[in-house]
Amino acid sequence: NAGVMQNPRHLVRRRGQEARLRCSPMKGHSHVYWYRQLPEEGLKFMVYLQKENIIDESGMPKERFSAEFPKEGPSILRIQQVVRGDSAAYFCASSPPSGNTGELFFGEGSRLTVL
Amino acid sequence: EDKVVQSPLSLVVHEGDTVTLNCSYEVTNFRSLLWYKQEKKAPTFLFMLTSSGIEKKSGRLSSILDKKELFSILNITATQTGDSAVYLCAVRPNTGNQFYFGTGTSLTVIP
Repeated sequence: NAGVMQNPRHLVRRRGQEARLRCSPMKGHSHVYWYRQLPEEGLKFMVYLQKENIIDESGMPKERFSAEFPKEGPSILRIQQVVRGDSAAYFCASSPPSGNTGELFFGEGSRLTVL
Repeated sequence: EDKVVQSPLSLVVHEGDTVTLNCSYEVTNFRSLLWYKQEKKAPTFLFMLTSSGIEKKSGRLSSILDKKELFSILNITATQTGDSAVYLCAVRPNTGNQFYFGTGTSLTVIP
């Protein structure tokens, strides 16, 4: 049973370009979370999605950031017109449907560097 | 504002030492507290605590929760170099979908 898969593991973009980060949850998991981790900081919640639905995007910046989890395919975190401050590690996590143990299973992260 | 505070921020010990990591929280409608170990990759799950006073144990690691004083500790006995990592504490409230993470404790175990 493969774990949470994220790609790319490393991404370098120049200011103004777009970054797309992908996440495939664990098999059987229908909930996906995106977190951002800056150096020396903890994991900051960004967005929580279920298939075809954004449930909670209270941690997403109001502009340039969007997320989706289509019926088929991985969840995608999209950052438009990237700026240097977007450089961070972006972690995806998944969990089983509600009522299970409630823990999150994390991917290995995508490290975005904006030049 | 809900928050999770971990201490110390970093710790350096020698192999064989025992360490205690602390996590205090202020979260409305507490549901559970989770501990994760993060090496240079994905955070891996260690423990989930929901009830006060019940110790969870896995090998040399153990953890306990105090819901009255709003904190948890993670103990590691007979530390090994492989225990070197950042240990993250997260709290999940009953309402909403967020897990609130602390900034972590960076543990370095020297041979």
